[in-house]
Amino acid sequence: NAGVMQNPRHLVRRRGQEARLRCSPMKGHSHVYWYRQLPEEGLKFMVYLQKENIIDESGMPKERFSAEFPKEGPSILRIQQVVRGDSAAYFCASSPPQNYGYTFGSGTRLTVV
Amino acid sequence: GENVEQHPSTLSVQEGDSAVIKCTYSDSASNYFPWYKQELGKRPQLIIDIRSNVGEKKDQRIAVTLNKTAKHFSLHITETQPEDSAVYFCAAPGVAGGTSYGKLTFGQGTILTVHP
Repeated sequence: NAGVMQNPRHLVRRRGQEARLRCSPMKGHSHVYWYRQLPEEGLKFMVYLQKENIIDESGMPKERFSAEFPKEGPSILRIQQVVRGDSAAYFCASSPPQNYGYTFGSGTRLTVV
Repeated sequence: GENVEQHPSTLSVQEGDSAVIKCTYSDSASNYFPWYKQELGKRPQLIIDIRSNVGEKKDQRIAVTLNKTAKHFSLHITETQPEDSAVYFCAAPGVAGGTSYGKLTFGQGTILTVHP
């Protein structure tokens, strides 16, 4: 069991570019969550998805951010027109249905220059 | 939604001492309370969790206690070791209204330093 796989581990983007972060959940897990962690801060909820369905996006900024979890393939967190304030670690977690037992991926560290 | 407060923000102890981190939550319907450990530059990892039908759970040197009436839960680490040094996060689900079953709200984190 490979665990939750996130890629890339590190991503550098210039201001105005797009960032795409990928997350493949653990085998048997159908729920995916994205969290953002700013340096020396806690984990802030962004979005909760199931296959082909956004369950809760209450933590997503209204503009430039979107997420999907298609029927086939990984979940994608997409940030358009990145700004310096988007620099953070983005963690994905997955869980089985009706179970809070999160497993986190290793995160993607986004740096906007 | 759920609001989780965690204290202290930093905690420094001598090796062998005990460490206690406390969290309060706002949603009385919350029924699951995990604790995560995050070492520098690494992923958060679940170290212990407790469900609302029990008041205490222990796993070797770590334990979690839950007071549902007061809406707080605590992490206890005994006989601390330098490798316990990390950031610890509590979390709660907040299920009021029945929405977003899987979503966890995390506390702000506690930086634990264990001095040899």
